[in-house]
Amino acid sequence: AQSVTQLDSHVSVSEGTPVLLRCNYSSSYSPSLFWYVQHPNKGLQLLLKYTSAATLVKGINGFEAEFKKSETSFHLTKPSAHMSDAAEYFCVVSDPGNQFYFGTGTSLTVIP
Amino acid sequence: DTEVTQTPKHLVMGMTNKKSLKCEQHMGHRAMYWYKQKAKKPPELMFVYSYEKLSINESVPSRFSPECPNSSLLNLHLHALQPEDSALYLCASRLTTGIDNEQFFGPGTRLTVL
Repeated sequence: AQSVTQLDSHVSVSEGTPVLLRCNYSSSYSPSLFWYVQHPNKGLQLLLKYTSAATLVKGINGFEAEFKKSETSFHLTKPSAHMSDAAEYFCVVSDPGNQFYFGTGTSLTVIP
Repeated sequence: DTEVTQTPKHLVMGMTNKKSLKCEQHMGHRAMYWYKQKAKKPPELMFVYSYEKLSINESVPSRFSPECPNSSLLNLHLHALQPEDSALYLCASRLTTGIDNEQFFGPGTRLTVL
């Protein structure tokens, strides 16, 4: 069975400081993992994905994530937060079929 | 063309109305999804179509009726909805094979049931 746990429901950072959003997964298979961002009243946009290639994955807008199998983690990071990064972030794991499993989300606030 | 479009953007309907939501993609994706999302919550899967056939129905009430007329189009027919059905309805598509297996989401339809 697949599942995702996002360890923080809310993260608050100051503009220009690093961002860390934590995600742990459980999967019966070699997982595909994704981070999506959702701005208010918008659809979800893919930030990055891991599909068994390089364990350090670079995404859009300066975000990256590292797949750590031994820790079953896929944490999202960014060196310097920008005001436009304020949004809801979802960690997602997929199964070999067509189903995706969402974490409960992390709301990121960026303080000016 | 790498986008999923959804119409309408906003919909207000009474509990006795019949309305439809529409989703379209031209990326050649063969899996299409409907999700329901309440405020501050993750999307909840409703239906999955794979190669135009319904493959997953997550025990959704019959007042929601999906339809996939062709590989590019996905509809969600609504009838006799309840106020608790008010939510953001998201459509997504996905290439079913290969490593490019992320979902592409549309902007959503904001539904209000009065």
